[in-house]
Amino acid sequence: QKEVEQDPGPLSVPEGAIVSLNCTYSNSAFQYFMWYRQYSRKGPELLMYTYSSGNKEDGRFTAQVDKSSKYISLFIRDSQPSDSATYLCAMSGSARQLTFGSGTQLTVLP
Amino acid sequence: KAGVTQTPRYLIKTRGQQVTLSCSPISGHRSVSWYQQTPGQGLQFLFEYFSETQRNKGNFPGRFSGRQFSNSRSEMNVSTLELGDSALYLCASSPFQTSGSYNEQFFGPGTRLTVL
Repeated sequence: QKEVEQDPGPLSVPEGAIVSLNCTYSNSAFQYFMWYRQYSRKGPELLMYTYSSGNKEDGRFTAQVDKSSKYISLFIRDSQPSDSATYLCAMSGSARQLTFGSGTQLTVLP
Repeated sequence: KAGVTQTPRYLIKTRGQQVTLSCSPISGHRSVSWYQQTPGQGLQFLFEYFSETQRNKGNFPGRFSGRQFSNSRSEMNVSTLELGDSALYLCASSPFQTSGSYNEQFFGPGTRLTVL
């Protein structure tokens, strides 16, 4: 079993929809939680970072971490076609060696 | 500020050969990490270098090695290439290494390696 499990999708939604992306993990030592976005032929770029449990909001994006359930989520409000990409959750105990989920491919249809 | 650059962007090799990939971190960044991305295994950590020393290593065979130079540039080498080594190899740099604090990792575009 992988340390980080992520529903690979693919996920297809209409423009304006709310998107929910999720990851579960098994390693209790993880305390840094990140969401990356990766466009085709590009490297991942950091979207959100959360330390320990809690919520964090940045514009249309909200990240939630529930350490008691070992579950993290990313919500995208008012999704746009430009949000179409692969979304990767990543976690770390030390914030240096990242353990990634397999990624969810999202398509937002105009 | 220029981002992380990786060269070459694309590479085709045959089984048994060796390959060297290069990474130039963002100016001022001293930590460089390498990751392998494949459709089957996703993104997996290879190793991290800071101050020319390997600080962390992932679960990869000894055929995968790396080094870091005094200007923080890094190279990774894969010897005796296997078909399964075909992947996107990503380099990420971060500003500094302080245990227990968060250092954002900035990824380069990757080197696409195909092994025939």
